[in-house]
Amino acid sequence: ETGVTQSPTHLIKTRGQQVTLRCSSQSGHNTVSWYQQALGQGPQFIFQYYREEENGRGNFPPRFSGLQFPNYSSELNVNALELDDSALYLCASSLGQGEPYNEQFFGPGTRLTVL
Amino acid sequence: GIQVEQSPPDLILQEGANSTLRCNFSDSVNNLQWFHQNPWGQLINLFYIPSGTKQNGRLSATTVATERYSLLYISSSQTTDSGVYFCAVEIDYGGATNKLIFGTGTLLAVQP
Repeated sequence: ETGVTQSPTHLIKTRGQQVTLRCSSQSGHNTVSWYQQALGQGPQFIFQYYREEENGRGNFPPRFSGLQFPNYSSELNVNALELDDSALYLCASSLGQGEPYNEQFFGPGTRLTVL
Repeated sequence: GIQVEQSPPDLILQEGANSTLRCNFSDSVNNLQWFHQNPWGQLINLFYIPSGTKQNGRLSATTVATERYSLLYISSSQTTDSGVYFCAVEIDYGGATNKLIFGTGTLLAVQP
């Protein structure tokens, strides 16, 4: 069984640029959630994808967008990067909506630095 | 919105000591998870525990949903237990979304 994977591991961008982060869900999982973790804080929910549709969004501006593909892998796109976007971005996968056991499993994260 | 508070915020232990970490939440939740975040940022699942008690080796957890708290017990601590421990509660977020709200975390340092 393959766990959640993310790429790249680290990324350095400059203010105003755009970035795409990628996530492969755990085998058998069709739901992917993205979280942002700033230094010294707990992860904050960005949005969730279920069967290729956005299925809930946290308090993040529209320049944070995403996709989910038929194989349930997912992308997080951030446009017009700001210095405050520097953070660890975590992807989590779970079995899916309506499942009685909906444990979320996290990938290793992508550390984004915006200069 | 729901508040998730953890205590203590920081904890220093000698190797071999026992500890109890607490997670209080301000509203009803669907589920609760405990995680250990290692120095590289990886969140490692410890327990999925909406209620009751579970044990896994030196770790155990108890959630009392009616009183809105959960406890994580670490016995015979080891240096590899060092890191940040998060509890996270799962809430309904409109429609079918279940998002995790993370607590404030407990930073644990185990000294040899």
